[in-house]
Amino acid sequence: VQMKESGGSVVHPGGSLRLSCAASGIQFGSYAMSWVRQAPGQGPEWVATISGTGFNTYYADFVKGRFTVSRDNSKNTMYLQMNSLRAGDTATYYCANNNWNDMSYLNHWGPGTPVTVSS
Amino acid sequence: DIQMTQSPSTLSASIGDRVTITCRASQTISGFLAWYQQTPGKAPKLLIYKASTVEDGVPSRFRGSGSGTDFTLTISSLQPDDFATYYCQHYDNYQWTFGPGTRVEIK
Repeated sequence: VQMKESGGSVVHPGGSLRLSCAASGIQFGSYAMSWVRQAPGQGPEWVATISGTGFNTYYADFVKGRFTVSRDNSKNTMYLQMNSLRAGDTATYYCANNNWNDMSYLNHWGPGTPVTVSS
Repeated sequence: DIQMTQSPSTLSASIGDRVTITCRASQTISGFLAWYQQTPGKAPKLLIYKASTVEDGVPSRFRGSGSGTDFTLTISSLQPDDFATYYCQHYDNYQWTFGPGTRVEIK
């Protein structure tokens, strides 16, 4: 199983960015997928989760209305559209699959993609 | 919201030591408690899920236990690869919450 994030870069405050997560080695559409971020020197922080079908999405309070998670099961890829970015969104963003039956934990993680929000 | 704390924040230990890390919830939680190991520059790696189930491929020296508000991760005999930061994570009602972490360093 492999996850690989892409799309991270330096962006100005108020700007937008779209991250991608390509998965391989799993039956992608059967798994919920999540984004987790980690600011420098801090612990991981859950950002968003999307169900296997894509019909259900869940967000941390601090990103509601600014970030949108989506997926394309035909491409085994998940996305995170990030708008109205703030300095506090600076972090490495990881994608991971949730466990199959109850989504309670994160099995396989990608290496992460860095996002820096700075003027 | 349920808050997760971990103790100690840093732990100094030697190879072969038995190490115990505690994760405490601000209220009684279900058994949806996982532990991850992270080394610098790498993604977290799942060690334990549902409080006490060891993930496939994880060495048997790692053990999870606990219920209610208090959970522990025990490493029975610390090995060189185990010097890392450990995070607990709780799941409840479509919210995933990580603890602040415990760094295990070489004594």
